[in-house]
Amino acid sequence: GAVVSQHPSRVICKSGTSVKIECRSLDFQATTMFWYRQFPKQSLMLMATSNEGSKATYEQGVEKDKFLINHASLTLSTLTVTSAHPEDSSFYICSASRIDYEQYFGPGTRLTVT
Amino acid sequence: GNSVTQMEGPVTLSEEAFLTINCTYTATGYPSLFWYVQYPGEGLQLLLKATKADDKGSNKGFEATYRKETTSFHLEKGSVQVSDSAVYFCALKETSGSRLTFGEGTQLTVNP
Repeated sequence: GAVVSQHPSRVICKSGTSVKIECRSLDFQATTMFWYRQFPKQSLMLMATSNEGSKATYEQGVEKDKFLINHASLTLSTLTVTSAHPEDSSFYICSASRIDYEQYFGPGTRLTVT
Repeated sequence: GNSVTQMEGPVTLSEEAFLTINCTYTATGYPSLFWYVQYPGEGLQLLLKATKADDKGSNKGFEATYRKETTSFHLEKGSVQVSDSAVYFCALKETSGSRLTFGEGTQLTVNP
């Protein structure tokens, strides 16, 4: 159990366009979902925490208008990168937490902005 | 605030060598401690965890013991394999809530 999926696994988009990444908990209800960003050879940087049905809490320095997070149900959260630019190219990882608080991670999404 | 410090990498070993990756932490209260593994191009997988002092987490031949007196959670494996090549992250979670604090990650390469 405790499987988290992400879609797409890889996406290439043009500069100025928006791209949406989905994170789903497949076999449990996730009260909280987290979005991370990872640069090459670096650790994970927490971008935001989202609770189902409420607004996401963004970490300092993360632009909430650029990285839109929606957690509409207990099994789905989405991250939309708006007006993407090459510097937004990165590996984005989500995780989901259920009632016992342990986080389960998705496989990640590689975003490349050309 | 909380912090996790891992030994600097990268670490390169020959197959069947002994592995130690050091991890120390700073935290208030009684955190839970975790080791995650990340294979190339993938997300994080939980390797093992310990929730209280003196607990030993183990999985796939890897072990780590929660040492409160030294605030450490070092990862060990007696005989590494090529398939163990990955990045390893030490992390802690506070007593309440779900937020994780990660170490910097340690790249392990095992050569045949």
